[in-house]
Amino acid sequence: DTAVSQTPKYLVTQMGNDKSIKCEQNLGHDTMYWYKQDSKKFLKIMFSYNNKELIINETVPNRFSPKSPDKAHLNLHINSLELGDSAVYFCASSQGSGGGNSPLHFGNGTRLTVT
Amino acid sequence: AQSVTQLGSHVSVSEGALVLLRCNYSSSVPPYLFWYVQYPNQGLQLLLKYTTGATLVKGINGFEAEFKKSETSFHLTKPSAHMSDAAEYFCAVSRGWAGTALIFGKGTTLSVSS
Repeated sequence: DTAVSQTPKYLVTQMGNDKSIKCEQNLGHDTMYWYKQDSKKFLKIMFSYNNKELIINETVPNRFSPKSPDKAHLNLHINSLELGDSAVYFCASSQGSGGGNSPLHFGNGTRLTVT
Repeated sequence: AQSVTQLGSHVSVSEGALVLLRCNYSSSVPPYLFWYVQYPNQGLQLLLKYTTGATLVKGINGFEAEFKKSETSFHLTKPSAHMSDAAEYFCAVSRGWAGTALIFGKGTTLSVSS
């Protein structure tokens, strides 16, 4: 029944490793997002996909690469992890092509800790 | 460019007291405004949203917010706080057109004491 589900919930890894976070939504939404929440709880948009097409790509290091195999899935792959990547990463989805009055539905987050 | 400012990073109230969380926005176009709540170790949950029409918007859990264009504000209120209201609250504004994402304020932590 979970609307937006992310895996894993916790991810602890060492600097330099490569890791992936997966996200799936069963709401039938066309648009999906990745947000990063830092230690001060500030939320910042990273990427957005509409029907598998990248529509938002904020200033994010090239080490972060999103992939959307279909409109219900949006994964985030991170290469060469750095200490500063430690944060909570949230997946979200919305109806239509995003923006406007469509609220976002969020997953429960993936807490990434880089040591 | 759109932005939101949440005044007060931390608000403390007693159980049964009025809750007031402040949000001011900046937008070059008529804004769409949202309030979200985040409980510990969870994702964000929509409390309410303003798009057009009635400026007093009612949401879940007894919360409401009033859109005041003249003051560029969208403050969140609840007449009587419950212990279960303790959480992080985020105000957000939409850039208003397709292909954009919500822009969030920095959040306000609400503490409720008995």
